[in-house]
Amino acid sequence: AQSVSQHNHHVILSEAASLELGCNYSYGGTVNLFWYVQYPGQHLQLLLKYFSGDPLVKGIKGFEAEFIKSKFSFNLRKPSVQWSDTAEYFCAVPPYNQGGKLIFGQGTELSVKP
Amino acid sequence: GAVVSQHPSRVICKSGTSVKIECRSLDFQATTMFWYRQFPKKSLMLMATSNEGSKATYEQGVEKDKFLINHASLTLSTLTVTSAHPEDSSFYICSAEGPTDTQYFGPGTRLTVL
Repeated sequence: AQSVSQHNHHVILSEAASLELGCNYSYGGTVNLFWYVQYPGQHLQLLLKYFSGDPLVKGIKGFEAEFIKSKFSFNLRKPSVQWSDTAEYFCAVPPYNQGGKLIFGQGTELSVKP
Repeated sequence: GAVVSQHPSRVICKSGTSVKIECRSLDFQATTMFWYRQFPKKSLMLMATSNEGSKATYEQGVEKDKFLINHASLTLSTLTVTSAHPEDSSFYICSAEGPTDTQYFGPGTRLTVL
């Protein structure tokens, strides 16, 4: 079965610093990949997704992620974070790459200091 | 568009009682919805797949008699926590597949069992 791991549990950055959050998945076949964000007190929102095509995916709010098949990775990046990016970030993948249900990584809490 | 709502947002109940949580897709139809459970500072754990007009599919380790799911229409799924106990206290989140093969998440329901 598919699994997802996120390397960083809690990341603390100052504003304008660059961000990279790691995400690795286990299943090596065709895979759809997602990054979701959960702002304090709010529901999960989709940041970006990869289904096929260009492995560099651009999402909302200046985020992007790169799918590297050889590394089973889908790391999330942002060149310059803002205080408003403080949130919990989740990488997710469908199990067996089917259906709409998702397996989530452990989540990474990002704290951005003003 | 693609909004998912949950009701109630918070509920406190006594041990032994049952609690019903509603999940609605407000502006789209969803033949399939998903229920997740999120523990504090933890990731989302998939509990079950709710299928309109048929039985729900439960993930391994989730008690189907404990967590009753009914998907009565294309816009409504309900999760009933039966004979709730303090260990059932958690944050319950639903999702539904909306446009562009994307999961849209509800705002969650915080259940506290005394």
